[in-house]
Amino acid sequence: NAGVTQTPKFQVLKTGQSMTLQCAQDMNHEYMSWYRQDPGMGLRLIHYSVGAGITDQGEVPNGYNVSRSTTEDFPLRLLSAAPSQTSVYFCASSPDRGSNEKLFFGSGTQLSVL
Amino acid sequence: GNSVTQMEGPVTLSEEAFLTINCTYTATGYPSLFWYVQYPGEGLQLLLKATKADDKGSNKGFEATYRKETTSFHLEKGSVQVSDSAVYFCALTGGFKTIFGAGTRLFVKA
Repeated sequence: NAGVTQTPKFQVLKTGQSMTLQCAQDMNHEYMSWYRQDPGMGLRLIHYSVGAGITDQGEVPNGYNVSRSTTEDFPLRLLSAAPSQTSVYFCASSPDRGSNEKLFFGSGTQLSVL
Repeated sequence: GNSVTQMEGPVTLSEEAFLTINCTYTATGYPSLFWYVQYPGEGLQLLLKATKADDKGSNKGFEATYRKETTSFHLEKGSVQVSDSAVYFCALTGGFKTIFGAGTRLFVKA
């Protein structure tokens, strides 16, 4: 029972490089989201999706792109990495869009941008 | 917009002490409220939730009551254990977005 799987677990980038953080869930969840976690700031929502083909911006979307071509996958793309994007990134999913539902989290990707 | 404010940490307690972590929120409509816990090196996991005013969520000895009149959802536990050492996040969900507080780190000493 894999749940939410994030890869890679660790990544070091140079400023200006691009990369994709992968997120996959095997629970047939409609809702998926990306957060970044920074010390003293909790988790901030980057982008979210309420179903395949539908995405929207969260609190801090600048510098990140997402797409949702399948129910299972929700990759996060950094087009040109900046040191300010050094953070721990979490993917989370939920069975549907209902506000009563809890989020299921992946184990995170620790990203350093030099 | 919606927001969550929780007490700053770290909070350091001795084993068997009483725990309170304060959480207040600002929201339009009728959000659901959650407490999540994060152990070192892991993602967040749900601790408890409440979906309407005056509901009490409880799990593993932790409790929190949804107080609409004071817009609060304080986390309490009567007797903490060393294994409760973690970071605790208060959160609210309204519409399609879940908003988190900054987190409170708890250290429990034996």
